[in-house]
Amino acid sequence: DAGVTQSPTHLIKTRGQQVTLRCSPKSGHDTVSWYQQALGQGPQFIFQYYEEEERQRGNFPDRFSGHQFPNYSSELNVNALLLGDSALYLCASSRETDTQYFGPGTRLTVL
Amino acid sequence: AQSVTQLGSHVSVSEGALVLLRCNYSSSVPPYLFWYVQYPNQGLQLLLKYTTGATLVKGINGFEAEFKKSETSFHLTKPSAHMSDAAEYLCAVSERGFQKLVFGTGTRLLVSP
Repeated sequence: DAGVTQSPTHLIKTRGQQVTLRCSPKSGHDTVSWYQQALGQGPQFIFQYYEEEERQRGNFPDRFSGHQFPNYSSELNVNALLLGDSALYLCASSRETDTQYFGPGTRLTVL
Repeated sequence: AQSVTQLGSHVSVSEGALVLLRCNYSSSVPPYLFWYVQYPNQGLQLLLKYTTGATLVKGINGFEAEFKKSETSFHLTKPSAHMSDAAEYLCAVSERGFQKLVFGTGTRLLVSP
């Protein structure tokens, strides 16, 4: 049974560019959450998707947006990248309000 | 608003010694509590969780944690450390019925031979 997968593994962008990160949930899971983990910090909640709708959102600007597809996979989009957006982006999947299982993350570096 | 405080950004123990990682939480509603482990350049792996019922929770790899409501704590312990336990440990809280996890800043466990 495949766990949560994320792509790409690493990504390098320059300031002002846009980026899209992808997540495939664990089989049987219908909810996807995204977190940002800056170096030396705990993960910070960005938003959560359920039934293709954003169900909950953390304290992140509108430059961060997302989408969930009918097959429950999800994308995280970040526009107008800033140096401070450099971080490990983690995707977690779950069955509604059950335990979240995390993917390996995407390391984004903004130069 | 919920929050988590993990005392000690680094904890060092010798192989075979007791591991104690501290976590205190703040929540206006009965919380769900979690411990995750993170190895370098990897995602998070669930060690254990408390939702309801028994306050002493056993997890994987010999770890356990006890929910103490009066102390708002959920400390993680392991009787005997192994070299393979060296990693980052993250405590998290969420409200019942919701899934937004609020994490602490993490504690790096160092295990020496």
